Amino acid sequence: QVQLVQSAAEVKKSGASVKVSCRPSESSFTSHYLHWVRQAPGQGLEWMGIINPTGGSTVYAQTFQGRVTMTRDTSTSTFYMELSSLTSEDTAVYFCARGARVGVRYVWGPFDYWGQGTLVTVSS
Amino acid sequence: DTQMTQSPSSLSASVGDTVTITCRASHDIGPYLAWYQQKPGKVPKLLIYAASTVQAGVSSRFSGSGSGTDFSLTISSLQPDDVATYYCQNYDNGPPGLSFGAGTKVEMK
Repeated sequence: QVQLVQSAAEVKKSGASVKVSCRPSESSFTSHYLHWVRQAPGQGLEWMGIINPTGGSTVYAQTFQGRVTMTRDTSTSTFYMELSSLTSEDTAVYFCARGARVGVRYVWGPFDYWGQGTLVTVSS
Repeated sequence: DTQMTQSPSSLSASVGDTVTITCRASHDIGPYLAWYQQKPGKVPKLLIYAASTVQAGVSSRFSGSGSGTDFSLTISSLQPDDVATYYCQNYDNGPPGLSFGAGTKVEMK
């Protein structure tokens, strides 16, 4: 059973940055795309972007371009999502989720395993 | 981004009812549509992918259909445990990327 273990909750000030980590429990680190999704309180799911673990290439949702950076550390098999210039509207639970196997044509998903979520609270 | 339009936004039904949720994509996404169930305070759970393939371990009361731009999720013999919000999602890798529908909240009468 694959598990994605995320870092603990964070409280940040407006204008700051936050970096959330996600570590798969098994060797699927290099075999599957990794996505980030966020959910503001009482709201729906919002896709933020994807990272290819084999080369580190990324695609970000237009909403977050210029403000989000997704990386991976192959030595620790850990993924990271950093969001900068935080405002109160960034208060949300941030999820990582496993997508399609790398190399599968035409698709990046679906998302079969999800992290437990990391609450990021932005205060002024 | 691809627009995924779900309807209704909420519904209320009785135990044993059959309910259907629809999802429309702003462009042709082929069969690359997934449905997720999210219970309050919980992580989303994959129910269906490739429009109609039920994920392993998911009840056969859940079924999906459609292709191209129009899709639906049907829950037969509704149970109290089905109370949740359901989201559709396109997952093809063409531009402009993945997106989720706004969600449908299912409640019991």
